[in-house]
Amino acid sequence: DAMVIQNPRYQVTQFGKPVTLSCSQTLNHNVMYWYQQKSSQAPKLLFHYYDKDFNNEADTPDNFQSRRPNTSFCFLDIRSPGLGDAAMYLCATSYLGHSNQPQHFGDGTRLSIL
Amino acid sequence: AQSVTQLDSQVPVFEEAPVELRCNYSSSVSVYLFWYVQYPNQGLQLLLKYLSGSTLVKGINGFEAEFNKSQTSFHLRKPSVHISDTAEYFCAVRIIQGAQKLVFGQGTRLTINP
Repeated sequence: DAMVIQNPRYQVTQFGKPVTLSCSQTLNHNVMYWYQQKSSQAPKLLFHYYDKDFNNEADTPDNFQSRRPNTSFCFLDIRSPGLGDAAMYLCATSYLGHSNQPQHFGDGTRLSIL
Repeated sequence: AQSVTQLDSQVPVFEEAPVELRCNYSSSVSVYLFWYVQYPNQGLQLLLKYLSGSTLVKGINGFEAEFNKSQTSFHLRKPSVHISDTAEYFCAVRIIQGAQKLVFGQGTRLTINP
């Protein structure tokens, strides 16, 4: 089945130690999104890629970066995680050009900071 | 800008009872409307969507929603709930033209009691 896969499902890192979360998709979608979801809150969009074009949300901290080396993969890098960055991180995809199609979400990576 | 308000943060109901989860939105332009469900430690799964046409849309797991343009509402309903419906439910909108960014409501936690 075509899907969005996030690895790992659970990630523990130390305060200030860089961490990378990964997302892959078999849907051949041209847009990939990263959301941050804190406990009992709605997902908050951090940034998205339309093909190779990176689109950052205005309030996304500089501590968060992203890479998309090819259509299938997208990475979220947190350069110096703080305690406030503990959250569920969700990857989603969609196809721009089929504007009425919904975003497809992965199962998320839950990040804990020690 | 768009905004979404889910009027109830928590809704407890008994098994086999009907349920309605309320969603109101605000937008100066036309939007698509979505309901997503999130089970514990999982990503978001699309329940249903309204794009155009009939204002009553049916989704998975026996859920349906009705789009009311005059009241700017998109309430989710199910005539008889099951224990397995216990989850967080998010209403979301996306503008029809331009970027495909979703704007989420704060979520409603549905708890089914036996």
